[in-house]
Amino acid sequence: AQTVTQSQPEMSVQEAETVTLSCTYDTSESNYYLFWYKQPPSRQMILVIRQEAYKQQNATENRFSVNFQKAAKSFSLKISDSQLGDTAMYFCASPAIQGAQKLVFGQGTRLTINP
Amino acid sequence: GAVVSQHPSWVICKSGTSVKIECRSLDFQATTMFWYRQFPKQSLMLMATSNEGSKATYEQGVEKDKFLINHASLTLSTLTVTSAHPEDSSFYICSARVARGLGTDTQYFGPGTRLTVL
Repeated sequence: AQTVTQSQPEMSVQEAETVTLSCTYDTSESNYYLFWYKQPPSRQMILVIRQEAYKQQNATENRFSVNFQKAAKSFSLKISDSQLGDTAMYFCASPAIQGAQKLVFGQGTRLTINP
Repeated sequence: GAVVSQHPSWVICKSGTSVKIECRSLDFQATTMFWYRQFPKQSLMLMATSNEGSKATYEQGVEKDKFLINHASLTLSTLTVTSAHPEDSSFYICSARVARGLGTDTQYFGPGTRLTVL
């Protein structure tokens, strides 16, 4: 079974600091997408960033960027200049099996941004 | 763009009754929708994959007869919890996958439905 592992259950940083959330995944696919979703206290799942596996360039969305290491099957999320509104659960997700549309989610990292 | 709505956002029902939850993609067509269940402080657990015009595919351990899924159109999927019991109390989240165009591998999520069975 495909697995996604987030090794940091909780993290806490000061506002304006940079924080990196780690994620490793297990897939036999050669072409796939990887995702980071954010779930704030409202519990609405929000897409943060998406990475196409065949692209070597790391995806960037404003203050959010990824460090994608395909060979190592690592997909970390870096948040720069963190803001109070970044406080949330963050889930990493990868495709379940070849051609499948469903995703496998990691256990999540609870990130707290302190003022 | 890529907005998904869910209704109701919160429902309380008596044990033994059935509850229907609607999931709609508001500004795009979704050939595939997904239903998840989330317990407090845990990750999302996929219950079933809902394909427009065909039967849903349920994950192992999910009772088909208890969690009825209907995907009647490209913008609407419904989850009916039949004969609900207190152990069915949970947070249910749907997502929709873009039918075509950019981002076709991306799931967009509804705001969730909190179900409480008394």
